[in-house]
Amino acid sequence: NAGVTQTPKFRILKIGQSMTLQCTQDMNHNYMYWYRQDPGMGLKLIYYSVGAGITDKGEVPNGYNVSRSTTEDFPLRLELAAPSQTSVYFCASSGNTDTQYFGPGTRLTVL
Amino acid sequence: GESVGLHLPTLSVQEGDNSIINCAYSNSASDYFIWYKQESGKGPQFIIDIRSNMDKRQGQRVTVLLNKTVKHLSLQIAATQPGDSAVYFCAENLSPGGNAGNMLTFGGGTRLMVKP
Repeated sequence: NAGVTQTPKFRILKIGQSMTLQCTQDMNHNYMYWYRQDPGMGLKLIYYSVGAGITDKGEVPNGYNVSRSTTEDFPLRLELAAPSQTSVYFCASSGNTDTQYFGPGTRLTVL
Repeated sequence: GESVGLHLPTLSVQEGDNSIINCAYSNSASDYFIWYKQESGKGPQFIIDIRSNMDKRQGQRVTVLLNKTVKHLSLQIAATQPGDSAVYFCAENLSPGGNAGNMLTFGGGTRLMVKP
């Protein structure tokens, strides 16, 4: 199993641009999550999904959107990038246990 | 609001010594806690977890202790090695067994530096 994979690894955006961060897991996990991690800080939950077709807001959802059309994929969309969205983004998934497994992250810079 | 936090932002230890990383939590309703290790440029990696019906759990070279009376969690690493150098996060489950999945609240992290 590849686990949780994320693309791209790095991205630089201009203010106002849009992009989609991709996340895929091959563990058949129902639960998937998106977090952001600012420098020297812990992770904050942006959105999560408990299964295909179901998504809900986390702690910091403003400026982001998600979709969950399949069990495997959980893309995160930034419509109008702002400097405050400069961060490292982690996707995670979990199955029947509480343990979340994380992807390698996407480092995003908005200039 | 209630949150998970850490006492020490940086911990420096000699190779071979034992390390203890501490975490305070304030949500008395939390019943599940996890320790993650995050190496530079990588995602958090699960180390060990513990449920509130336990006060101690051991893994390979790691032990987690839970003191519900004072809402304190600690991670002990035996015979610390250079490969243990990383940032360690504790996290609590805000919705154990609920319909919201397994939402976690993370503390700010402690950086462990192992001196050879």
